[in-house]
Amino acid sequence: EPEVTQTPSHQVTQMGQEVILRCVPISNHLYFYWYRQILGQKVEFLVSFYNNEISEKSEIFDDQFSVERPDGSNFTLKIRSTKLEDSAMYFCASRGTGSTGELFFGEGSRLTVL
Amino acid sequence: AQKITQTQPGMFVQEKEAVTLDCTYDTSDQSYGLFWYKQPSSGEMIFLIYQGSYDEQNATEGRYSLNFQKARKSANLVISASQLGDSAMYFCAMRPPWADSSYKLIFGSGTRLLVRP
Repeated sequence: EPEVTQTPSHQVTQMGQEVILRCVPISNHLYFYWYRQILGQKVEFLVSFYNNEISEKSEIFDDQFSVERPDGSNFTLKIRSTKLEDSAMYFCASRGTGSTGELFFGEGSRLTVL
Repeated sequence: AQKITQTQPGMFVQEKEAVTLDCTYDTSDQSYGLFWYKQPSSGEMIFLIYQGSYDEQNATEGRYSLNFQKARKSANLVISASQLGDSAMYFCAMRPPWADSSYKLIFGSGTRLLVRP
């Protein structure tokens, strides 16, 4: 069964460092997303991406965040200068254009900022 | 604004029994969709079941069924014949109308289910 894959599964970084989280969405999907879940809290929408551009972003997604699809398969989330409060599980998700519009999530990348 | 409420922070159920996890929602949209996801301790988000606001029948997927009561704005998840592997966090979520290309899912705070042997 097709799945969304994310790397790394866990990354530890120092505050102020740049981090890139990678995702390979399901191959025929057209819509891509990043969500975040701080430990013990709700899952929160960060950004949606379609046709090589951001279609919507939340207030969390400030200038230190960026997304791109550099090679037509990978979908990346970059955090330019990490802060302690960026520690969270980051989920990539993708969807096709089927009637249910089911959103498929990856297994998540746990980011720990020290 | 859309909102999802899960009022049960934690639930216990005996193995092989059925359990209902509550979810209520608030939206002014006529078209929307409701999801349930399972999050085991390993952290991944596993899709369980989906209900569209115009679907006339309640959704079922194996041991999972969604008790959709539109007038009451509730979308409770029913797990029949609970198994030890069902112990996890369960999230209810809502998607906006199809015209909203952002597909910004709104999640509830989750219910932690523990299945007792």
